[in-house]
Amino acid sequence: KNQVEQSPQSLIILEGKNCTLQCNYTVSPFSNLRWYKQDTGRGPVSLTIMTFSENTKSNGRYTATLDADTKQSSLHITASQLSDSASYICVVSEGGGANNLFFGTGTRLTVIP
Amino acid sequence: SAVISQKPSRDICQRGTSLTIQCQVDSQVTMMFWYRQQPGQSLTLIATANQGSEATYESGFVIDKFPISRPNLTFSTLTVSNMSPEDSSIYLCSSGDRGGYTFGSGTRLTVV
Repeated sequence: KNQVEQSPQSLIILEGKNCTLQCNYTVSPFSNLRWYKQDTGRGPVSLTIMTFSENTKSNGRYTATLDADTKQSSLHITASQLSDSASYICVVSEGGGANNLFFGTGTRLTVIP
Repeated sequence: SAVISQKPSRDICQRGTSLTIQCQVDSQVTMMFWYRQQPGQSLTLIATANQGSEATYESGFVIDKFPISRPNLTFSTLTVSNMSPEDSSIYLCSSGDRGGYTFGSGTRLTVV
């Protein structure tokens, strides 16, 4: 069964600290993996997208990694800011022409001053 | 990637009424999708909006409850019909093309 699991479910960190969010998936065949940031009550906004051959992708203070062998991805946030408080969702696209998307349940990050 | 304008951003509706949500994309896109996100949950695909033909619904969602229109390659609507409090949720549209998937800003629906 194609699934995407994220951990932790929620996280509270102090402003300025770093954190890492995890995503494990069982989707096969695999096309790509995206990390989205979703502010409360808003639609998800894409942070990074990685295909099978990419191990790391950065977008400012956000760095995503992908290990296609172990089917794991992480999103590392450096020097967190209050505006980073949001839900972070891992989305995996099924390959083979199916184009199905599988969503993780997200990690709720709260950055406190 | 495409930019999507979704409206309304939020609404409070009476039980038994209907609400139509609109999504306008700033470029022609092949695929448009409608999702529901219940509190604390991930996104659930309702249907794929097909241009010029009937939408393709996922298991658990039916056309009578969630009629969808897609009159052209830049616009789609989702109607939530005969609403009940269980329909209170965030509804999002999404477009997909070779540039990736983009989401609208969401419609927060509260049914009272």
